[in-house]
Amino acid sequence: EAGVTQFPSHSVIEKGQTVTLRCDPISGHDNLYWYRRVMGKEIKFLLHFVKESKQDESGMPNNRFLAERTGGTYSTLKVQPAELEDSGVYFCASSRRLAGGTSTDTQYFGPGTRLTVL
Amino acid sequence: SQQGEEDPQALSIQEGENATMNCSYKTSINNLQWYRQNSGRGLVHLILIRSNEREKHSGRLRVTLDTSKKSSSLLITASRAADTASYFCATDRTGFQKLVFGTGTRLLVSP
Repeated sequence: EAGVTQFPSHSVIEKGQTVTLRCDPISGHDNLYWYRRVMGKEIKFLLHFVKESKQDESGMPNNRFLAERTGGTYSTLKVQPAELEDSGVYFCASSRRLAGGTSTDTQYFGPGTRLTVL
Repeated sequence: SQQGEEDPQALSIQEGENATMNCSYKTSINNLQWYRQNSGRGLVHLILIRSNEREKHSGRLRVTLDTSKKSSSLLITASRAADTASYFCATDRTGFQKLVFGTGTRLLVSP
């Protein structure tokens, strides 16, 4: 079974440009999450999809970030326009949806996308 | 919001020794998970322990959970150089599936 994949692995852009990150979850996982780790700080939650619906987007820092999961398969996270403080590693994770709806299961993480904004 | 903190921040040991890392959190939880991150790579899931469990084993890993003290420990026995990595605990609360990560412990195992 393939794990969570992310593309690209690295991205270097200039301030003001747009970047789109992609995440392909494990097949059959309804839950998809985005997290990020900025330099020197802990890994922080951004948002959570259940299939194509946004379940929780409380961690999204501002309206420059837009996440989509059309069709409930892969997801994209677009940053427009990028700022210097957006630099960091963006992780995607996926998990199964257990019976009961709100139960949680192991979240499997992708390798991350390292974003550098110059 | 809850925040996990790992202790110690850094740990340096010799191969064959045991390594113990601790994690504390602030609110009630549903599950606690431990992850490993090798330098420059993604997070690898190690073990999940549910709030109604007190201890769990997986190979050379032993995890304990004390919900009354809001703390967990990860023990790696007979460490190897390949165990060198950062280790993170992450918690979630009932009804909230997002993980809240601790600050991590950097483990260095020397041959």
